[in-house]
Amino acid sequence: EPEVTQTPSHQVTQMGQEVILRCVPISNHLYFYWYRQILGQKVEFLVSFYNNEISEKSEIFDDQFSVERPDGSNFTLKIRSTKLEDSAMYFCASSEALGGQPQHFGDGTRLSIL
Amino acid sequence: AQTVTQSQPEMSVQEAETVTLSCTYDTSENNYYLFWYKQPPSRQMILVIRQEAYKQQNATENRFSVNFQKAAKSFSLKISDSQLGDTAMYFCAFMGLTSGTYKYIFGTGTRLKVLA
Repeated sequence: EPEVTQTPSHQVTQMGQEVILRCVPISNHLYFYWYRQILGQKVEFLVSFYNNEISEKSEIFDDQFSVERPDGSNFTLKIRSTKLEDSAMYFCASSEALGGQPQHFGDGTRLSIL
Repeated sequence: AQTVTQSQPEMSVQEAETVTLSCTYDTSENNYYLFWYKQPPSRQMILVIRQEAYKQQNATENRFSVNFQKAAKSFSLKISDSQLGDTAMYFCAFMGLTSGTYKYIFGTGTRLKVLA
């Protein structure tokens, strides 16, 4: 069964550094998402992306965050000038279509800011 | 704004028994979907079951079934014949169809432990 793949599985970064989290969505999917889960808390929506542009972003997704689909397969989340509170699990998800289709999640990237 | 509430932070059940996890939500939309996701210690998010709001019939997937009460805005998950592998965090999620982006809104989760 096709899967969403995320790399790296664990990223350790010094505060203030830039980090790029990578995702390869399922190949025929058109809608892409990033979610964040701070340890012990619920999963929170960050951003959705369709047709090479952001569809919606949450209040969490401020100017330090950006997303990009640099080629036909990768979907990246960039965090500029990381802060301690950015430490979390970041999940990428994709769906084939809208209208209630379930989103398929990757295994997540655990981001640790020191 | 939509909200999802899971009022049981932790639950436990004996192996082979049945357990029900509760979820309530608040929305002004009439057309939406509800989901249950399982997150084992490995931290993956695994889809358990999906329910369309326009369907009165409760969704079932093998040992997993839901009790969807639209008027009460309640969406509970029943796990029958619980297995040790069911030990995980369970998240209820709402997806509204009017916002145009179809993002998930998750509850805070219920940690389920299946006891041998």
